[in-house]
Amino acid sequence: GAVVSQHPSWVICKSGTSVKIECRSLDFQATTMFWYRQFPKQSLMLMATSNEGSKATYEQGVEKDKFLINHASLTLSTLTVTSAHPEDSSFYICSARVLAGAHNEQFFGPGTRLTVL
Amino acid sequence: EDKVVQSPLSLVVHEGDTVTLNCSYEVTNFRSLLWYKQEKKAPTFLFMLTSSGIEKKSGRLSSILDKKELFSILNITATQTGDSAVYLCAVDSNYQLIWGAGTKLIIKP
Repeated sequence: GAVVSQHPSWVICKSGTSVKIECRSLDFQATTMFWYRQFPKQSLMLMATSNEGSKATYEQGVEKDKFLINHASLTLSTLTVTSAHPEDSSFYICSARVLAGAHNEQFFGPGTRLTVL
Repeated sequence: EDKVVQSPLSLVVHEGDTVTLNCSYEVTNFRSLLWYKQEKKAPTFLFMLTSSGIEKKSGRLSSILDKKELFSILNITATQTGDSAVYLCAVDSNYQLIWGAGTKLIIKP
């Protein structure tokens, strides 16, 4: 149980284009999903917290107009990187918080590797 | 199907105790195994392991990988209340992270 999937796994795009990444909780409902960036051998950096049916809460320094987050349902959140540039190349990971109590409330997706040329 | 299993799910010990957290895996294309500590906002990177038998150490924390038996352990000696957290293990397989469910560690004063 508590599986989180991401799509696509890997995307290469040209500079200036927009890329949408999906995060789905497959077998549970998640009122809250989180989006992270990860750089090699480094901690995950929280970008934003996405709540179903409301606006996402962005961390300081994260441009909300560049990283658009939509949490349209209890099982799906999307992150759109608008007008992507090479410096946006990174590994993007989402996680979802389980509604009912568990020993660990948060489950992570496998990540999406974005390469902007 | 790739999977990563952590044990135990939860652990409560007293300050000063030593704990060992386990992470076993079955993946198609192993590249590395990573350990993270999550307290609040985001997991903090602890170790990345790629080679069998080589212990990585940072203060009271250490970790080792066994690629033959497909597991890793994370040791914490002389635990402190600040070590209370969820410890996550993830395996990089085909450039995707397969996550374990985590071990919730509680250190009682």
